[in-house]
Amino acid sequence: AQSVTQLGSHVSVSEGALVLLRCNYSSSVPPYLFWYVQYPNQGLQLLLKYTSAATLVKGINGFEAEFKKSETSFHLTKPSAHMSDAAEYFCAVSDGVDSSYKLIFGSGTRLLVRP
Amino acid sequence: DTEVTQTPKHLVMGMTNKKSLKCEQHMGHRAMYWYKQKAKKPPELMFVYSYEKLSINESVPSRFSPECPNSSLLNLHLHALQPEDSALYLCASSVRTGSLDSLTTQYFGPGTRLTVL
Repeated sequence: AQSVTQLGSHVSVSEGALVLLRCNYSSSVPPYLFWYVQYPNQGLQLLLKYTSAATLVKGINGFEAEFKKSETSFHLTKPSAHMSDAAEYFCAVSDGVDSSYKLIFGSGTRLLVRP
Repeated sequence: DTEVTQTPKHLVMGMTNKKSLKCEQHMGHRAMYWYKQKAKKPPELMFVYSYEKLSINESVPSRFSPECPNSSLLNLHLHALQPEDSALYLCASSVRTGSLDSLTTQYFGPGTRLTVL
């Protein structure tokens, strides 16, 4: 079964500092991986996705993620944090069942941005 | 346009009430999903509809009854809920044909915050 593990339930950075949110996956087949962001009292917004086309994936709001098969990782980065980046971030892997696909989410990482 | 809408935004109900949550999308997606999200937890899948037919039921209690009356609309009927059912209920949709890239990408609505008293 597919799964993802997010290391660190909370990450705190200063405004302007590098953001690094970690995600490791477990999959017996080539995975489809996603990062979603959730702002307080809102739904989930797709940040970016890996679907085997390119290992370095660029997303919205200046985020990017690199797929590393040797490390089974898909870490999310942003060169310079902004106060508006404070939110909950979920890494997810897609799991196919009878041609339907469901998302398996990691436990989430709350990003705090200090002024 | 990748918009999924959900109504109501907030819902408070008693344990004996019957209520419904509504989800709508006009992107032509033929797969629709219900997720439940408790505070400080990731979303958990409840149901998947594919071409308006239920394809996945994640052993959800019968007090939750999904319905997909047409390709744009997904309902979740609620009856005799318990206080522990209080949560954010998220709807999502995705295409049902095409590349694996598009099949696996889900777009979420803003959610309905449900409180059961």
